[in-house]
Amino acid sequence: AQSVTQLGSHVSVSEGALVLLRCNYSSSVPPYLFWYVQYPNQGLQLLLKYTTGATLVKGINGFEAEFKKSETSFHLTKPSAHMSDAAEYFCAVGNDYKLSFGAGTTVTVRA
Amino acid sequence: SAVISQKPSRDICQRGTSLTIQCQVDSQVTMMFWYRQQPGQSLTLIATANQGSEATYESGFVIDKFPISRPNLTFSTLTVSNMSPEDSSIYLCSVDGPGANYGYTFGSGTRLTVV
Repeated sequence: AQSVTQLGSHVSVSEGALVLLRCNYSSSVPPYLFWYVQYPNQGLQLLLKYTTGATLVKGINGFEAEFKKSETSFHLTKPSAHMSDAAEYFCAVGNDYKLSFGAGTTVTVRA
Repeated sequence: SAVISQKPSRDICQRGTSLTIQCQVDSQVTMMFWYRQQPGQSLTLIATANQGSEATYESGFVIDKFPISRPNLTFSTLTVSNMSPEDSSIYLCSVDGPGANYGYTFGSGTRLTVV
């Protein structure tokens, strides 16, 4: 069984500030972990993924995430928020080709 | 990564009717997935569709309500049958396989409203 918990359904940041979205997972096997972004009225776009190897994963649009096995976490960060980062973000854990998604975190960026 | 075309992008349907959603991929993929995203909620896997075999449904989803076809390695359909307002959701197709590099590409979704 696998599940994902995203801490905080809404995050508001100022433009230029750090973006930190928290994700904790549970998985009975070594996990594959993903972050997706969903812009209004659009599908999901893959930001980054962790499968094996380096635990610090860099993705698109300046985002990165670190897999911490001891903490069962995969938090997403971006050093400097941009207005275009306003969207909904989903963390997901994959096993046996199936994805289980967290509830999502809505990010708003203040000018 | 693979490019997915999903049709229709949105529809408004009468209760009791059925809607078939199409998912076309620009490359051959082994596995195709259908997800539902209810209003304001996260995504839930409905079923996995492999070419040449019957779809595998997740708990809470049944074939009579959500029949799926997978006639070849680039195409799948999901039908939402005998619709009720509770079926109002976004339905998304996703793929994995050689063209997706284990990145699970998603289509842009079908926004369904049942009235």
